Amino acid sequence: KAGVTQTPRYLIKTRGQQVTLSCSPISGHRSVSWYQQTPGQGLQFLFEYFSETQRNKGNFPGRFSGRQFSNSRSEMNVSTLELGDSALYLCASSLSGGAAGELFFGEGSRLTVL
Amino acid sequence: DQQVKQNSPSLSVQEGRISILNCDYTNSMFDYFLWYKKYPAEGPTFLISISSIKDKNEDGRFTVFLNKSAKHLSLHIVPSQPGDSAVYFCAARHTGTASKLTFGTGTRLQVTL
Repeated sequence: KAGVTQTPRYLIKTRGQQVTLSCSPISGHRSVSWYQQTPGQGLQFLFEYFSETQRNKGNFPGRFSGRQFSNSRSEMNVSTLELGDSALYLCASSLSGGAAGELFFGEGSRLTVL
Repeated sequence: DQQVKQNSPSLSVQEGRISILNCDYTNSMFDYFLWYKKYPAEGPTFLISISSIKDKNEDGRFTVFLNKSAKHLSLHIVPSQPGDSAVYFCAARHTGTASKLTFGTGTRLQVTL
């Protein structure tokens, strides 16, 4: 069974640009959530999508947005990039959110903003 | 506002001994607690979880203990193996929020020979 696939794995952008990250969940998983990992901050929840609808949202500014397609694939977008947006962005999928909250994570997309 | 705290950034344990990783939380509305393990250049992988209505859950070498009155949980690994060397994240789920987990900042465990 293929795992969660995230693309691109690494990317470098400059301040003010925008970026789009992609996530393909495990086949059959309908819930996709996104997390930001920065040094010293752990993983911080960005948002979760289920059946193309945003189900939960974290405390991030409106520059961070996402969407989910009918095949459960998801994208997240960050506009007007700031230096502080440099981080590892992790996507996780689960069947429906999981009774125990068990999430399957991808390897992440490492974004560097210069 | 760090609702889930892992106060030890690192821990070193000898192979065969017990590893104890600790986690404290402040929000009484968490209903599930989970531990994830992360190797470099990989995403976190689920290890073990515990419901807030239980005080212990065991899976092989891994046991999680929950002390609700102290708002504290711990992960015990017995016996520790070199392959256990990784960063361990404690996470908590908000009641009724499905995949929204609040993570601690992680503890780097090194198991030495």
